[in-house]
Amino acid sequence: ETGVTQTPRHLVMGMTNKKSLKCEQHLGHNAMYWYKQSAKKPLELMFVYNFKEQTENNSVPSRFSPECPNSSHLFLHLHTLQPEDSALYLCASSQEGGPETQYFGPGTRLLVL
Amino acid sequence: AQSVAQPEDQVNVAEGNPLTVKCTYSVSGNPYLFWYVQYPNRGLQFLLKYITGDNLVKGSYGFEAEFNKSQTSFHLKKPSALVSDSALYFCAVRDFGSGNTGKLIFGQGTTLQVKP
Repeated sequence: ETGVTQTPRHLVMGMTNKKSLKCEQHLGHNAMYWYKQSAKKPLELMFVYNFKEQTENNSVPSRFSPECPNSSHLFLHLHTLQPEDSALYLCASSQEGGPETQYFGPGTRLLVL
Repeated sequence: AQSVAQPEDQVNVAEGNPLTVKCTYSVSGNPYLFWYVQYPNRGLQFLLKYITGDNLVKGSYGFEAEFNKSQTSFHLKKPSALVSDSALYFCAVRDFGSGNTGKLIFGQGTTLQVKP
């Protein structure tokens, strides 16, 4: 798991707060992903960045705003979230055109009050 | 549309016995298939993948998976289960319909419980 790091590991926020999740990959990959994992639901792909360009937005509400300043860093900016947004948010990276295996970070456990 | 199914929510096995976690897929073309494991409060860890070649793929921690094209299956197996194998297991297939985005489609997960 040290290849992909995420901070913070745990986050509690109110519905009016603004916070950001950070992901960093140390694997030299060129693609990064945000997933949402809720209890009793399959992993939901939220966003994909390929060579820093967003290539997929999986109908995610605008209260989630991704940012990819370079191929090693990925952020997820959060504002005016709802309690149903409480979940484990996972970041992953891969080398597109190569082995294509996605490697995951440990996740940020988010609780929205 | 590409899809993957894990028909069992939970699999219970006694320690030392062989285990199988089932996965079936539906794709157009040749599939890229993956298995991941997730321990409590952790991210997903890559176990193994099938891209091409030998139908029996060996992975981490003594796990292996058998690709069966005629049955469109990719079951995860281990000859002798350990209590420490207890975790949530995900099967995934690469979605080539999305071009170069590398999108993976995950099954709903199977909880493996290994009892001493």
